[in-house]
Amino acid sequence: AQTVTQSQPEMSVQEAETVTLSCTYDTSESNYYLFWYKQPPSRQMILVIRQEAYKQQNATENRFSVNFQKAAKSFSLKISDSQLGDTAMYFCAFMLYNAGNMLTFGGGTRLMVKP
Amino acid sequence: GAGVSQTPSNKVTEKGKYVELRCDPISGHTALYWYRQSLGQGPEFLIYFQGTGAADDSGLPNDRFFAVRPEGSVSTLKIQRTERGDSAMYLCASSLDSSYNSPLHFGNGTRLTVT
Repeated sequence: AQTVTQSQPEMSVQEAETVTLSCTYDTSESNYYLFWYKQPPSRQMILVIRQEAYKQQNATENRFSVNFQKAAKSFSLKISDSQLGDTAMYFCAFMLYNAGNMLTFGGGTRLMVKP
Repeated sequence: GAGVSQTPSNKVTEKGKYVELRCDPISGHTALYWYRQSLGQGPEFLIYFQGTGAADDSGLPNDRFFAVRPEGSVSTLKIQRTERGDSAMYLCASSLDSSYNSPLHFGNGTRLTVT
């Protein structure tokens, strides 16, 4: 079974600064995908960024980027130029290759962006 | 252009009662997923449908939980003889198909409280 661990229950950052959220996972498989989802107070889960394990290049989506370290089984999310609208719960998630979009989520990190 | 719709948004029921939670996926999405999110935790996979059939129900916790999707569109999650431990947010998601290239679109969830 796969597990996903987010060791930071809560974090805060000043507006316009950079913050990094940590995620580690455990699997014996070599083909998989990793995701970061955002869940704002409105409750709707939104995909932020995703990474294929076979790709060495780290994924980037505008202000969001990841640091994927396959050997260390680490997948951190960096948010640059933090905005008030980034305040939310952030979940790291894992999916096995060909697993039909069935995700295993971590416990989440609550991020507060302060003005 | 409606997203995934879940009704009701909140449901309060007494221990031992039967409840039904409804999910309307995005039109044309063949894959539909149910997740359960307990307070302060990440979502946990329950079941997913590809069309009308349950492709994987390995996440259903016990036989009190059942889900259907008779016409390949709307799905209903049914919980019999509810227990206080069933209190959680129930999230539904849909995707065009169940491949990695079809990202999940989540609804706003149904918050179930069993008293």
